[in-house]
Amino acid sequence: NFMLTQPHSVSESPGKTVTISCTRSSGSIASNYVQWYQQRPGSSPTTVIYEDNQRPSGVPDRFSGSIDSSSNSASLTISGLKTEDEADYYCQSYDSSSYVFGTGTKVTVL
Amino acid sequence: EVQLVQSGAEVKKPGESLKISCKGSGYSFTSYWIGWVRQMPGKGLEWMGIIYPGDSDTRYSPSFQGQVTISADKSISTAYLQWSSLKASDTAMYYCARGSSGYVFGAFDIWGQGTMVTVSS
Repeated sequence: NFMLTQPHSVSESPGKTVTISCTRSSGSIASNYVQWYQQRPGSSPTTVIYEDNQRPSGVPDRFSGSIDSSSNSASLTISGLKTEDEADYYCQSYDSSSYVFGTGTKVTVL
Repeated sequence: EVQLVQSGAEVKKPGESLKISCKGSGYSFTSYWIGWVRQMPGKGLEWMGIIYPGDSDTRYSPSFQGQVTISADKSISTAYLQWSSLKASDTAMYYCARGSSGYVFGAFDIWGQGTMVTVSS
């Protein structure tokens, strides 16, 4: 199996932009879709991005996803940061036998 | 409204058995995979396994194979996660989540509210 590695934490001021990376340890990041989940304190995860760059209905367009084959990584970008965006974020992908979650990133809005 | 409603928190002793549930509503329960995810206190998400209620096809993460059993009763739109002998290290929040309607692996789009399991003597 492969691993998905994320930065432990990122912080930024309201109104700014943060980007969270998710690096796949083996196999191509482009070979299977990447999803991103937001987990606010004390709550269940919710999906903010699916299939690399698709937003579920109800998720603001401040959230965007992308993949970069050159670095074998996916990214979640949150623009116009709001205090409500303060949460843990997890990337997730899969291969032919397993789901894999990323290590998780805590986003702090200063 | 599509939702997954999980059973309530449990407090158990080591060695006891346990079965927690996840009831789906607002969609065709037999047409979507249901996965289980563990989150230990202060830690990240770990995939445990997944079941297709339509035919009970079940896959397990190698880390959890033999440690838990996943099942489903499609007549009552409910999936289950069970242990035969709990350990203190099973203390965690357990989430069920709806997967895809086709291929076994994909995205989870709907999550249950979680069931907290505490194992302590």
